[in-house]
Amino acid sequence: GNSVTQMEGPVTLSEEAFLTINCTYTATGYPSLFWYVQYPGEGLQLLLKATKADDKGSNKGFEATYRKETTSFHLEKGSVQVSDSAVYFCALAGGTSYGKLTFGQGTILTVHP
Amino acid sequence: DAGITQSPRHKVTETGTPVTLRCHQTENHRYMYWYRQDPGHGLRLIHYSYGVKDTDKGEVSDGYSVSRSKTEDFLLTLESATSSQTSVYFCAISESTNEKLFFGSGTQLSVL
Repeated sequence: GNSVTQMEGPVTLSEEAFLTINCTYTATGYPSLFWYVQYPGEGLQLLLKATKADDKGSNKGFEATYRKETTSFHLEKGSVQVSDSAVYFCALAGGTSYGKLTFGQGTILTVHP
Repeated sequence: DAGITQSPRHKVTETGTPVTLRCHQTENHRYMYWYRQDPGHGLRLIHYSYGVKDTDKGEVSDGYSVSRSKTEDFLLTLESATSSQTSVYFCAISESTNEKLFFGSGTQLSVL
């Protein structure tokens, strides 16, 4: 079956530091890949997505590239802000349904001033 | 923000009692989902609906049932709650199968 593995957290950074959160996946066929973000006390929001190999998703300064050869979709941001403190989830959709997602366990990011 | 309301926001109940969680949307989206969120597991799909009275099981459906009698409401029922069902439950909606999900704010359920 499908599975998603994220780097262990929590991750603590100073403002303006570089962020990488690793995500690898196992799936049959050609899944679509997503990063969702959850701010404290809220539901998840889609941050970015990529639907085929070598696609780069980007939003709010965050980027992730769909790497089929390494089955990875690592999240990066060049300069984090305190407001980026949240829980980040990597997820995949095995078919055409973007609602039936397999999630990673989530990575807690805390950014200090 | 998408119009999704989950109720109740918090609930404490006892083992063996029935519990119903409600998800109400004002977006007229066809697809609705119930996920549970647990530490170390991320979110896992419980049940989903692709239209009124059309529902199907997700990854962790044992012990849960759902109903959708109107487009705007999707109910999740725990027939006889167990401590293993202590979790945060999220409802999500989407306009079509290849559109992004919009999530509600969640229901914190504690089964003692």
